Amino acid sequence: DIQMTQSPSSLSASVGDRVTITCRASQSIRSYLNWYQQRPGKVPKLLIYGTSTLQSGVPSRFSGSGSGTDFTLTISSLQPEDFATYYCQQSYSTPLGTFGQGTKVEI
Amino acid sequence: QVQLQESGPGLVKPPETLSLTCSVSGGSISTYYWSWIRQPPGKGLEWIGYVYYSGSTNYNPSLESRVTISVDTSKNQFSLKLTSATAADTAVYFCARINHVVTPTYYYYYMDVWGKGTTVTVSS
Repeated sequence: DIQMTQSPSSLSASVGDRVTITCRASQSIRSYLNWYQQRPGKVPKLLIYGTSTLQSGVPSRFSGSGSGTDFTLTISSLQPEDFATYYCQQSYSTPLGTFGQGTKVEI
Repeated sequence: QVQLQESGPGLVKPPETLSLTCSVSGGSISTYYWSWIRQPPGKGLEWIGYVYYSGSTNYNPSLESRVTISVDTSKNQFSLKLTSATAADTAVYFCARINHVVTPTYYYYYMDVWGKGTTVTVSS
C-alpha cells in the first residue's frame, strides 16, 4: 500500500506569510497527487489535482509542485480564510487512495 | 449543479451493520466513480472505497473485509455497508463524486463534489 506522509503536522503563521506544506509518498506516484482544504467544521474542498492544476475557483495564491515521491503545496500570501487543515491524497492507485494525515495551519 | 446528500442512522449498536446512502441530485450517477470517506472525531480523512456506476468497486485494504459499496442507478443513489461496527467506526461519513481529466499522458482522478457529511456514532 502507498503511504502518504505530510510535514509539518501543524504550523503557525500570520496573514501575509508564505506557507509551504510537504507531502511524501512511500513510492513513486508520478504526478497523481491532489490537495484538499478543510476549514473547521466544514466539508473538504478540492484545491489542486494532478500535482499542480488549480480547481476552478481556487485563488491563484495556491500552487502545487513536485513529482515522483515529493510534493509541496504553497500558499504565497496567507489570508484569514486559509487557516484550515490541508490534506494530500494520491490518485496513483486507481482511481483514488490514501490521504496524508493532514497539516493544520494556525495563527 | 450536482449535489450529494448522505442519509442513514446516526446511532449504531455494536456489532450491528452501519448502513448509509448517498443521494445524487442535479446530475446522473452514470459515467462517474463515487466514493465514501470518513473522519473520526478530531482526526484526519480516511478513504473507505469507491463504486463505479457499472457496479465495480475498490476498497481500502484495512476495511475491505467489512465493507460493501453498491450503486442503484435507477434511484441515482449509492450506498455503504460496514459490518461488525465498533466504537472505532464512529466518525463523520462523507460521500463524494470522483471526477477525472484526461491528458495525452495522464489520467487524473479527484473528488470535486462532496456531501455535507453525516455523523455516525457506534455505541451500545
